Amino acid sequence: QVQLVQSGSELKKPGASVKISCKVSGYPFTSHALNWVRQAPGQGLEWMGWINTNNGNPTYAHGFRGRFVFSLDTSVSTAYLQISGLKADDTAVYYCARDQISAGYMDVWGSGTTLIVSS
Amino acid sequence: DVLMTQSPSSLSASLGDTVTITCRASQSISTYLHWYQLRPGQAPRLLIYAESTLPTGVPPKFSGTGSGTDFTLTISSLQPDDIASYYCQQSFSLPYTFGQGTRLEI
Repeated sequence: QVQLVQSGSELKKPGASVKISCKVSGYPFTSHALNWVRQAPGQGLEWMGWINTNNGNPTYAHGFRGRFVFSLDTSVSTAYLQISGLKADDTAVYYCARDQISAGYMDVWGSGTTLIVSS
Repeated sequence: DVLMTQSPSSLSASLGDTVTITCRASQSISTYLHWYQLRPGQAPRLLIYAESTLPTGVPPKFSGTGSGTDFTLTISSLQPDDIASYYCQQSFSLPYTFGQGTRLEI
């Protein structure tokens, strides 16, 4: 079945970097873009952007340009979210989600990766 | 950016009740409006896409209506597993934006 399996929880210090993975199975990796969505503690869902799995072209939402990088390894059907210069405000659950680009909804989600940034 | 405003932010209801959540867009988004359910500790689940279409496996107790700027999600015959937060999302224009969410308590 279609699955997005994300990497496990991370505890990082401020200033460090983290790389979160999202491994796709059950459908052709390049057939759908992948979104990244953040949920900070006590907050709602926030769209971070997406990556075109055909050509690796990323699109970032306004607040996620600079320290956030989306990438792919198509050989292992995996997308990555790398965050550098971590801040306490980056503490959140990060989700990857498959995009139905014809209408822009997210029909399959990963289970989320919890990132805690604390000294 | 399209601002999505959901109401109420929280809702308390009883088992068997029918509840309605509304979502208003700051500009017309046609029917590019989708709803998600987020249970604690679980992945978000797509409930309704394109304003009113239920994905395979979503029970018909969930229904969506609306177009343009005003949309509603209705949940009938509330059950304990409906305890969750519900979010609307627009895909009419980038960036995708979500409503702030509605927490449903039973």
